Amino acid sequence: DGGITQSPKYLFRKEGQNVTLSCEQNLNHDAMYWYRQDPGQGLRLIYYSQIVNDFQKGDIAEGYSVSREKKESFPLTVTSAQKNPTAFYLCASSITLTRTEAFFGQGTRLTVV
Amino acid sequence: AQKITQTQPGMFVQEKEAVTLDCTYDTSDPSYGLFWYKQPSSGEMIFLIYQGSYDQQNATEGRYSLNFQKARKSANLVISASQLGDSAMYFCAMREGDRDDKIIFGKGTRLHILP
Repeated sequence: DGGITQSPKYLFRKEGQNVTLSCEQNLNHDAMYWYRQDPGQGLRLIYYSQIVNDFQKGDIAEGYSVSREKKESFPLTVTSAQKNPTAFYLCASSITLTRTEAFFGQGTRLTVV
Repeated sequence: AQKITQTQPGMFVQEKEAVTLDCTYDTSDPSYGLFWYKQPSSGEMIFLIYQGSYDQQNATEGRYSLNFQKARKSANLVISASQLGDSAMYFCAMREGDRDDKIIFGKGTRLHILP
């Protein structure tokens, strides 16, 4: 079945450590996205990529980094520079340059202690 | 500046009644798309309905319809004959232009359906 896989579902890290969230899709989509969700804040765009080896900052990119070495994969690293990393992170993908919907993964809940 | 505004943080509606969730947007691009998603407590994002800026008719998908008022920059979601399973967060989203894939979301409305 085609879809987007985020792993792990729950992640715990100590403060000051970098952590990488995985996102893989087999939908053959060019565009991929990372969103952060906090209570009452909706979904805020961290980074997005329209093509392999290229990506753009979203509205809250500070403290995060991404790579897009393969079409299927768009990992997100939450660095120690991110002041409040505890949140629910959602990855999505879509067909590029069309006004079609984005498909989402199941999300990763990151807790930093 | 907020580009997608959802003014209703929460709503309570009696089962079987129709409900309207508000969404206003801000863009200067003549070409854009508007989306609605549902997020149950499980956290998954479920796509509901899409409206293109050039579409002549309001979009409909089963019990969901989109009341698109272009001049007012409004794209309200209407759910007819609400069901208990409609209780969830609802998000309005927008994709602007023809050369950028950026999709931005509003803050959402939490809908509670009462038995």
